[in-house]
Amino acid sequence: DQQVKQNSPSLSVQEGRISILNCDYTNSMFDYFLWYKKYPAEGPTFLISISSIKDKNEDGRFTVFLNKSAKHLSLHIVPSQPGDSAVYFCAASATFAGNQFYFGTGTSLTVIP
Amino acid sequence: GAGVSQTPSNKVTEKGKYVELRCDPISGHTALYWYRQSLGQGPEFLIYFQGTGAADDSGLPNDRFFAVRPEGSVSTLKIQRTERGDSAVYLCASSLTGLTSTDTQYFGPGTRLTVL
Repeated sequence: DQQVKQNSPSLSVQEGRISILNCDYTNSMFDYFLWYKKYPAEGPTFLISISSIKDKNEDGRFTVFLNKSAKHLSLHIVPSQPGDSAVYFCAASATFAGNQFYFGTGTSLTVIP
Repeated sequence: GAGVSQTPSNKVTEKGKYVELRCDPISGHTALYWYRQSLGQGPEFLIYFQGTGAADDSGLPNDRFFAVRPEGSVSTLKIQRTERGDSAVYLCASSLTGLTSTDTQYFGPGTRLTVL
């Protein structure tokens, strides 16, 4: 069963606008969440993370929001740039249940110049 | 410095054959992870090493899969009697300590395995 879900397989956004990528999870034990970015023929690259004690974490153009009651997190990219075009994976883990990450199926973002 | 490297980048084999996939982690990283990514899916955890020992192998799908890390650095994922369903990209990651899940995992480019 898929414990981390990304229901939008793809997203297209105009350059300069905001990109919002969504992720839902089912396991209430998850307390650490990450976003990875993946270009073709490369491995995933860590982008940003958030602990369950926070509801927001910001790093430059990237902000991750966590809504624990809804078991939902989102990644906001603003302003979007063509170089942001990639597949974005959401991942989650339960700190005291090992170091296994559970990944979503990914959202392919295309930023149109 | 050098990142995680994996060899080969592509491997084509026939059903029933044995394959070995190699991972060179970032120098000094104690923890090493193997994941499998099937088409249209996210990476799926296979096994995690802390040093030379497998700390968690709960993701290995069956006893045809085995991984070693004899000197606490390079790791080899071994698949016996390959099946067509084993076709996927096999990703390796390493992290500095692996002692908590907040320890960032750095991924290699993966090995694309195709079983004919």
